[in-house]
Amino acid sequence: DAGITQSPRYKITETGRQVTLMCHQTWSHSYMFWYRQDLGHGLRLIYYSAAADITDKGEVPDGYVVSRSKTENFPLTLESATRSQTSVYFCASTWTLGEQFFGPGTRLTVL
Amino acid sequence: RKEVEQDPGPFNVPEGATVAFNCTYSNSASQSFFWYRQDCRKEPKLLMSVYSSGNEDGRFTAQLNRASQYISLLIRDSKLSDSATYLCVVNMNRDDKIIFGKGTRLHILP
Repeated sequence: DAGITQSPRYKITETGRQVTLMCHQTWSHSYMFWYRQDLGHGLRLIYYSAAADITDKGEVPDGYVVSRSKTENFPLTLESATRSQTSVYFCASTWTLGEQFFGPGTRLTVL
Repeated sequence: RKEVEQDPGPFNVPEGATVAFNCTYSNSASQSFFWYRQDCRKEPKLLMSVYSSGNEDGRFTAQLNRASQYISLLIRDSKLSDSATYLCVVNMNRDDKIIFGKGTRLHILP
């Protein structure tokens, strides 16, 4: 089906483990984004990508790694998860810097 | 001054009433503005873009005031289903920077 999907939808992990959150879109949008949303902070940009093989840091990139070898995929990796990374993670995509289409989110808990 | 600022609310409004809230932005060079709606524990979805001339979509009206650097959203004849968080989004047109406000919570009361 067309659209933007995220997996897993829910994840519980332990401190120190590596976790990868997947994001896939079928529109061939140029731009893709990763946000985290926490109470009191709203949506905060972690990383974004303007095209395949082009990524850049957002507001809160520390502790995260991204890659974009294919236009449609934009995985986010937590190299060594910490409790402070417990959050809801949203992936989004767009053609230009206009309307963003969001995935359903991944709820990550780090114990 | 924060880049994008919204009153967090909550705004508690009786059904059928009109409600309006604003969003201020700091970068005068910003060129694109949007209102998104986010329901509890769901992803944000575009409500409407905000054009220089203002725009209306049914019960919703969005306006831009460049001189004072704010955008507004007006909801007329509010419905229970309008209860949500409304996010202001500004494209800073600088380094591909898009900034989301923290949102304004709206509760429509029966």
